[in-house]
Amino acid sequence: QSVLTQPPSVSAAPGQKVAISCSGSSSNLGNNYVSWYQQLPGTAPKLLIYDNDKRPSGIPDRFSASKSGTSATLGITGLQTGDEADYYCGSWDSSLSAGMFGGGTKLTVL
Amino acid sequence: QVQLVQSGSELKEPGASVKVSCKASGYTFTTHSINWVRQAPGQGLEWMGWINTNTGNPTYAQGFTGRFVFSLDTSVTTAYLQISSLKAEDTAVYYCVRDNKMIEFDYWGQGTLVTVSS
Repeated sequence: QSVLTQPPSVSAAPGQKVAISCSGSSSNLGNNYVSWYQQLPGTAPKLLIYDNDKRPSGIPDRFSASKSGTSATLGITGLQTGDEADYYCGSWDSSLSAGMFGGGTKLTVL
Repeated sequence: QVQLVQSGSELKEPGASVKVSCKASGYTFTTHSINWVRQAPGQGLEWMGWINTNTGNPTYAQGFTGRFVFSLDTSVTTAYLQISSLKAEDTAVYYCVRDNKMIEFDYWGQGTLVTVSS
């Protein structure tokens, strides 16, 4: 059971948009930055978003994120079949003094 | 360019030990900590802890104390993960990751599959 809660799966059609939620608490999302990672099948995860809403260079602006209180959301617009992947949120938990990830959300582009 | 290159897959018997290496290049090794992340087959990501590349001081997450050891050889900019007394449940892909700041993992190794089976 992850401290950060994500829906197990989401799906949408190509060209549509999708939102993936990440819910935590005051000791993690409430007081620390959230990062988002994309893991394509059979590959290592890749940093998608850092500092709640910033994109590393090379990440298209179809990917966006926000955080409010103890929840964060990753949004993907203009869905492509190549976006099919597992998406993870991550943050630091100040009470546990530990890093943590959400359980992951599998995105299916129908 | 920044790269983290890990050692190859390992097949070990229960009770044995394994040492995974993570060779860093393309940046000053001591400016970023190295974290380790485990992913069991079909499962999510699990943070194992980190090692301060300046001091060599390791910090282990709950559940990764005792049998797990993080170490460094700064002369060859390489981090190591050693697991002793291997159990079947240690079967997983282990990733080394560069931490930009507090779980902002900007570069990942390709992963090392450790399989524990008799």
